[in-house]
Amino acid sequence: DARVTQTPRHKVTEMGQEVTMRCQPILGHNTVFWYRQTMMQGLELLAYFRNRAPLDDSGMPKDRFSAEMPDATLATLKIQPSEPRDSAVYFCASGWTLTGTDTEAFFGQGTRLTVV
Amino acid sequence: QQQVKQSPQSLIVQKGGISIINCAYENTAFDYFPWYQQFPGKGPALLIAIRPDVSEKKEGRFTISFNKSAKQFSLHIMDSQPGDSATYFCAASRSDTGRRALTFGSGTRLQVQP
Repeated sequence: DARVTQTPRHKVTEMGQEVTMRCQPILGHNTVFWYRQTMMQGLELLAYFRNRAPLDDSGMPKDRFSAEMPDATLATLKIQPSEPRDSAVYFCASGWTLTGTDTEAFFGQGTRLTVV
Repeated sequence: QQQVKQSPQSLIVQKGGISIINCAYENTAFDYFPWYQQFPGKGPALLIAIRPDVSEKKEGRFTISFNKSAKQFSLHIMDSQPGDSATYFCAASRSDTGRRALTFGSGTRLQVQP
């Protein structure tokens, strides 16, 4: 049963601390997305990678957020330092994209982050 | 800039009724329009998707109607069931620039009453 795996599922941290969220995309997928979901803003794209290369991170606050793909089986999203306004559910999604085709994004179950 | 506008925000339908959720988009470069279903505590899951070269797509009880000239598309759930109670998101993406990330609507919370 192929699925996107995100860890941790829940994280409570104090303001100013570093937070690292991890994502294991579905094996064979070449595209990874990071989305943030809040009640006020809904689902917002933070960053996305294709073949491990970052294609778009314009939705991410650059001063505190960073996203990487150390290898094809791991994507990370880091927040340093964290702030209360970062409290949200962070979703990772993966898919398979070829030139001229659509990408169906499969979402993980999310990491619920609470910054106090 | 809200590129995909979704309505209504919430919807209550009786079991067996038809649920209709509407979306409108602004960017004519969008060429892929999926609908996602999300249950509490879960990630969104693809329900059905359409491209602008067709006006309707049906999969089981779920139908997308697409109006390219009006830049609108809608999800119809026929014979709605309590198990359909979830939040539904429309989305859109474009392929011309290679930027295939989805832009989501604000979501519709559907409640199907038994």
